[in-house]
Amino acid sequence: QKEVEQDPGPLSVPEGAIVSLNCTYSNSAFQYFMWYRQYSRKGPELLMYTYSSGNKEDGRFTAQVDKSSKYISLFIRDSQPSDSATYLCAMMTFNKFYFGSGTKLNVKP
Amino acid sequence: ETGVTQSPTHLIKTRGQQVTLRCSSQSGHNTVSWYQQALGQGPQFIFQYYREEENGRGNFPPRFSGLQFPNYSSELNVNALELDDSALYLCASSYLDNPTGGGSLVYTQYFGPGTRLTVL
Repeated sequence: QKEVEQDPGPLSVPEGAIVSLNCTYSNSAFQYFMWYRQYSRKGPELLMYTYSSGNKEDGRFTAQVDKSSKYISLFIRDSQPSDSATYLCAMMTFNKFYFGSGTKLNVKP
Repeated sequence: ETGVTQSPTHLIKTRGQQVTLRCSSQSGHNTVSWYQQALGQGPQFIFQYYREEENGRGNFPPRFSGLQFPNYSSELNVNALELDDSALYLCASSYLDNPTGGGSLVYTQYFGPGTRLTVL
C-alpha cells in the first residue's frame, strides 16, 4: 500500500465549476500537508500548506485536512482554463516529502 | 521563475552508463533535495543535503549518490544506469534553520524545471 493515494483522473470540468481534489494517507506521523501544481515541462509549485486539521483558504483555493480520517482535499472555486495542470498532494515528516501520483485537471473554456 | 536551475534539460544514456545531473540553488538557500518523477507519477524523494552533508535519504540504492558544494549547488550521480531510471529528475532548494527543523522546508522549497533522463 502506498503511503499517499491520489486519484489520477483525468478530471475535466467546464470553466467556473468547483473542483474537488482528494488524497488519503496511511502514515500518522505526517506533520505537514501540501498541495502543489505542476504544469507540463515544469517543476511543481507550492499552492498551499497546512499542519493542522481544518480548513485554510487562499483566494479561490481551500485546503482541508481531516487527520482523524487521514484525508485531505483541495477545492478550487470558479475554475479557470489557466488552472489546467496536474495537482499533487504531498505530506512531510522528518524532512521527507511523500507525494501522491497527481490528478490531471482540464478546465474547458 | 523560481531561481532554481538544472542542467542539462534532456539527456539520453545507455544501460550501464553513469550520469551526473546538476542543480543551482536559489540564493540564500542552504538545503537541496533531489526527486525522481516517473511518467504519470508523483516525485519520489531520493535524498536531501543540508550544508554539504546528507540529511535524509529515501528508498533508493547506493548507486544514487550526491554532492552539495560550498555555494550550495548540487550534483546527483547515478551509476550503472538501468532502464527504470528513465524519469524526470527534480531538484528543490530550500532553507532550513537546523537539520531537523522541517517547518521552513515546507514553505521555502522551490523546484527546478527538471532534467529528463532517458535510458536506452
